[in-house]
Formats: sequence, structure tokens, C-alpha cells
Amino acid sequence: GAGVSQSPSNKVTEKGKDVELRCDPISGHTALYWYRQRLGQGLEFLIYFQGNSAPDKSGLPSDRFSAERTGESVSTLTIQRTQQEDSAVYLCASSPRQVEGARGYTFGSGTRLTVV
Amino acid sequence: GQNIDQPTEMTATEGAIVQINCTYQTSGFNGLFWYQQHAGEAPTFLSYNVLDGLEEKGRFSSFLSRSKGYSYLLLKELQMKDSASYLCAVRDGNYKLSFGAGTTVTVRA
Repeated sequence: GAGVSQSPSNKVTEKGKDVELRCDPISGHTALYWYRQRLGQGLEFLIYFQGNSAPDKSGLPSDRFSAERTGESVSTLTIQRTQQEDSAVYLCASSPRQVEGARGYTFGSGTRLTVV
Repeated sequence: GQNIDQPTEMTATEGAIVQINCTYQTSGFNGLFWYQQHAGEAPTFLSYNVLDGLEEKGRFSSFLSRSKGYSYLLLKELQMKDSASYLCAVRDGNYKLSFGAGTTVTVRA
């Protein structure tokens, strides 16, 4: 597509439930990133995929968080047994390959997750 | 770890100039980015600096001093539509950006 697409745009879930967030990157972009943005805070790196290489999972905050990506297509971020502190906007971004020069990332509009 | 600091809020009048400062301490440096984010929207790329000096792009300019770990974003001829959050981000490897908390700029008539 023309941009990075994320779904759902909003998700309200009960504490303890599992949620799955989806990211559809720009066609041809080999690199895909997930960030979390809590209210009033900066973007927190979660995970990075580059083509078929092993993902960099160093930013995942706990083993309740996992992400998958098949090839250079859609990625899903799964949060198991959600907690209230998981409430945030989850942003996905893609880039043609490992970010070079000034191209930066193209972000999706995010999924606003609220755990009640 | 990464430490990126920027002011939380700034207010300015339409037509004026505002300078948003960003200081950073990171393990490795491979470029500094500024992003604009309107409420409820995705961040959009504004500028990139990897060498010391000033980069100008229309009403927006960005400056970098690597020795001081310092950057600023200068917004000139402010317009109401410039009211947004401005994010400073440092690339500390060849792919990962670390972000500051963002500066909310409010432009008043």
C-alpha cells in the first residue's frame, strides 16, 4: 500500500486477556519496527525485523510480548495476559532496508491499546 | 543506555520563531532525526543531521553539535498548523532510533 497500515486503530481489552496487533508495511520495505508510546513519553523500541534475518527482540519488556513476521510482509505483535501498564499506543514503522542516511522510517498511525 | 532530553512544552505566537533544544548521551552516534507528530497521528520525518552544522529546509532548520551532544530544531514563521509534538531521535547503531519524550509546541494567534 501507499503507507504503513495498522489495525485495529483502537483496542480496549480486559486485564488478563491476550491481544494481537497487526502491521502491514509499505510494499518492498524489508525492515519493520515496533515501538510503544506511553502517554506523555517518547517512543520505546520493542523489536526489529530485517528480511529473513533473526529479529532484534532486545526491546521487548517481558516474555508476555512476542512478535512475528513472515518474510517481508505483515507483522503481528501479541501481548499475552495484558496488564494495565501495557496501555499505550503501539507504533509500527518500515523502511526499505536498514535505515541509511536521511530516509528515516515511515510510521503507521498506531494502535491505541487500553487495558481496563 | 540512551539519554535524550528535550523540554516538555513550549508556547509561541503565530509568526514567531521557536527553538527546541535536544541534548543526548548515547552509546554510539550515527545521525540525529527530528519528527513531527500531531495528536493521534503517526510521526512524520522532518530533518536529519549527521555532520555538525545547520540544515535548512524551508521554515524548518536543524542544527547539530556532536562534540556537545546537542541539537536544536528551529521553526520560523510559525503557523497554527505547527502546533504538534516534536520528537528528537538519535540513531545509535545502523538501524535503531532512540527517542526523547517529545516537546509539545502550542502556537497561539
